[in-house]
Amino acid sequence: QVQLQESGPGLVKPAETLSLTCTVSGGSINNYYWTWLRQPPGKGLEWIGYIYNSENTNYNPSLKTNYNPSLKSRVTISVDTSKNQFSLRLTSVTPADTAVYYCASEGGGGSYDNWGQGTLVTVSS
Amino acid sequence: IQMTQFPSSLSASVGDRVTITCRASQDIRNDLGWYQQKPGKAPKLLIYAASYLQSGVPSRFSGSGSGTDFTLTISGLQPEDFTTYYCLQDYNYPRTFGQGTKVEIK
Repeated sequence: QVQLQESGPGLVKPAETLSLTCTVSGGSINNYYWTWLRQPPGKGLEWIGYIYNSENTNYNPSLKTNYNPSLKSRVTISVDTSKNQFSLRLTSVTPADTAVYYCASEGGGGSYDNWGQGTLVTVSS
Repeated sequence: IQMTQFPSSLSASVGDRVTITCRASQDIRNDLGWYQQKPGKAPKLLIYAASYLQSGVPSRFSGSGSGTDFTLTISGLQPEDFTTYYCLQDYNYPRTFGQGTKVEIK
């Protein structure tokens, strides 16, 4: 069973960049849709985006990432296959970006059957 | 795609049968999942493709619907079921969740 674990700073200052990493253990990071989601305290869930890492060298790079349009100008998701990790960068953060951030893997059919435990990131000076 | 979930909360007793509804703003075929979230924990997949029970999930949970209207039914509420439930459309991107339903003890 693949396990996911988020890591990164729990406190970020306004206007700075939020950076989180998700470590994938117990399986390969290839050929899955690796996703970030978030949940502000006491509120609902928001999908941030995914990165798809393919072993197929002919795979169209333009299909590799997909971001929520509401965050697209500030979000970058990347993958480091050598470390079996994928990462989230969110620039120019405000207190509205305070949330528990989850990494997850998208299984067949589009469901999220495997989640990290989540990490709270607070944006405050 | 907008997902409208209702009710936002409900009160019920152990052993009751409860139904939660999600409505999509457009036809999403059967591309819908139901998730259970306990306080301080990540969501857990209960139902995928609208009506298929995820492995390991008790059979008292069931899902139905297609197109725009979907329901999650819990038949015979157990103490551990009093928590929050979300629907999620996986028809297209960006994925969108319903607002959540909190099931409380009456």
